[in-house]
Amino acid sequence: SYMLTQPPSVSVAPGKTARITCGGNNIGSKTVHWYQQKPGQAPVLVIYYDSDRPSGIPERFSGSNSGNTATLTISRVEAGDEADYFCQVWDNSSDHVVFGGGTKLTVL
Amino acid sequence: EVQLVESGGGLVQPGGSLRLSCAASGFTFSSYWMSWVRQAPGKGLEWVATIKQDGSEKYYVDSVKGRFTISRDNAKNSLYLQMNSLRAEDTAVYYCARGGSSTGLAFDIWGQGTMVTVSS
Repeated sequence: SYMLTQPPSVSVAPGKTARITCGGNNIGSKTVHWYQQKPGQAPVLVIYYDSDRPSGIPERFSGSNSGNTATLTISRVEAGDEADYFCQVWDNSSDHVVFGGGTKLTVL
Repeated sequence: EVQLVESGGGLVQPGGSLRLSCAASGFTFSSYWMSWVRQAPGKGLEWVATIKQDGSEKYYVDSVKGRFTISRDNAKNSLYLQMNSLRAEDTAVYYCARGGSSTGLAFDIWGQGTMVTVSS
């Protein structure tokens, strides 16, 4: 079955840029979505179709997808960005939704 | 306001059954794929099931196939998850989410979740 691999944690200082990766076999051929989840809350969609932002999501959030890695980039990181981030794809070979294991972003 | 509200969670013994409901409002429910996603305590997100707008296509994670059934009632703007033969490993917060189609749609709206605890 298809697997997505994320680093368990990423740390970044306020005002810097955070990059959270999502690895998968030829993930560049798939459509990747990203979710932010803060403690005790439901997930929120922050990037869809690799690089599109839903309304209300700051321009500081961007996404890219190529080869075997998709990346969520958060520019000018703020304390409020501290959360868990999950990548997600639809795997056509199994007709399954697949989530990455999640990355905890810590703002130092 | 676009909203999803889950209900029906609770404590159930292993082997028991539970039916979750999700009430949708603020959008044309019958036009959207709908899904259930769960999250065990302290763990990541796990997709459970997805249903097409008219109910003609349903997809399940392997671990719940044959035990869980996703359904919908478009007249009532409601999504359901019938859970039978529950196991301890089914313990999780269950989220109702809009989207998740076989064409790769994102989950763009989520409910607040309902907790299911399977324990004796």
